[in-house]
Amino acid sequence: SQQGEEDPQALSIQEGENATMNCSYKTSINNLQWYRQNSGRGLVHLILIRSNEREKHSGRLRVTLDTSKKSSSLLITASRAADTASYFCATDATQKYGNKLVFGAGTILRVKS
Amino acid sequence: EAGVVQSPRYKIIEKKQPVAFWCNPISGHNTLYWYRQNLGQGPELLIRYENEEAVDDSQLPKDRFSAERLKGVDSTLKIQPAELGDSAVYLCASSLGVAGGWSSYNEQFFGPGTRLTVL
Repeated sequence: SQQGEEDPQALSIQEGENATMNCSYKTSINNLQWYRQNSGRGLVHLILIRSNEREKHSGRLRVTLDTSKKSSSLLITASRAADTASYFCATDATQKYGNKLVFGAGTILRVKS
Repeated sequence: EAGVVQSPRYKIIEKKQPVAFWCNPISGHNTLYWYRQNLGQGPELLIRYENEEAVDDSQLPKDRFSAERLKGVDSTLKIQPAELGDSAVYLCASSLGVAGGWSSYNEQFFGPGTRLTVL
């Protein structure tokens, strides 16, 4: 079963615009991570935010986490055509067999040049 | 540094046939994961190894799926017999390990996956 739910399911923007993707989850977490997947390829880790952090930056990426609302957002500023990909949030939580990453269904981002 | 290697990249088989996927993780990574990713969905964990021990196989359909990591390095995932619903991308990932606790850091490095089509 998938815990995280991304919103929107798909997003189409012009190059140079900002893209915002949201993720909601259901249980307590240790951290939340965002991954990118280009068409037909494996996932690439983008950024991790710990449960006691509220905001984190990495280059053009900005992630926020609101544990009271069990939600996170990923902002990509000044988007480029190369940012076209699927973006997944994944929650890291302690479960019966240890820590486990649970992925959402993803947001498909298309950046038009 | 080489990433996670998977083979084959694509596989097409008839239903009821067996199929196997191979994964070689990043050198030094003691944790290995197999995920299944259905079309339009995120990856779902099938099994996790710590060295050669399968520590979480709760999501592995054990009637037809099996996996092994005999020497704690590379791993094989097998399906026998395959069903139409097994069509998906099978991803292998590796990480240095799981520290545990609230501050655990669990970055996983993914291979390109094997796209399985069952006809």
